[in-house]
Amino acid sequence: DGGITQSPKYLFRKEGQNVTLSCEQNLNHDAMYWYRQDPGQGLRLIYYSQIVNDFQKGDIAEGYSVSREKKESFPLTVTSAQKNPTAFYLCASSIEAQWTGVNYGYTFGSGTRLTVV
Amino acid sequence: AQSVTQLDSQVPVFEEAPVELRCNYSSSVSVYLFWYVQYPNQGLQLLLKYLSGSTLVKGINGFEAEFNKSQTSFHLRKPSVHISDTAEYFCAVRYNAGNMLTFGGGTRLMVKP
Repeated sequence: DGGITQSPKYLFRKEGQNVTLSCEQNLNHDAMYWYRQDPGQGLRLIYYSQIVNDFQKGDIAEGYSVSREKKESFPLTVTSAQKNPTAFYLCASSIEAQWTGVNYGYTFGSGTRLTVV
Repeated sequence: AQSVTQLDSQVPVFEEAPVELRCNYSSSVSVYLFWYVQYPNQGLQLLLKYLSGSTLVKGINGFEAEFNKSQTSFHLRKPSVHISDTAEYFCAVRYNAGNMLTFGGGTRLMVKP
């Protein structure tokens, strides 16, 4: 079955360490997104990519970096510059607007919970 | 700026009672509307969507929503809730100009026995 896989499910980071969260999809979706979710808050957009080798900053990109070398993969690196990285991270994908697919929403992964120790 | 407002951050309700979760969006131009559900420590699952056609949309788990263009609303309803419906619910809007979704802040539905 097609879907989005995020790994790992739980991740622990030491102070000053970079960590990378994996996001892989086999839905043949063009666009991919990273969101951060804190307790009691909604979704905040970190980065998004509408096509391979291109990505754009979202609302809270500082301290994060991404790459989009393959259509299926959109890894997120949480750098040491991100001062408060403890949160739940969600990856999503969607079909591009110009396609005639009937589902114009997002498909989400199951999330990665990152904790600073 | 385009926005989505979920008027209630928390909705407590007793089991088997009806519930309505409210969602309003900022623009009356062509929109696609979605409701997602998130259970603890999981991703978001699509409950239902409105793309076109009938303004009453039925989704999974007995939920339905009604698109009201004049009031720019897309409220989610269920006639009788179960304990298992306890979750966070997100309303999302895709404005016709692009394929990005704008999410509301979420409503935590708490079903009590």
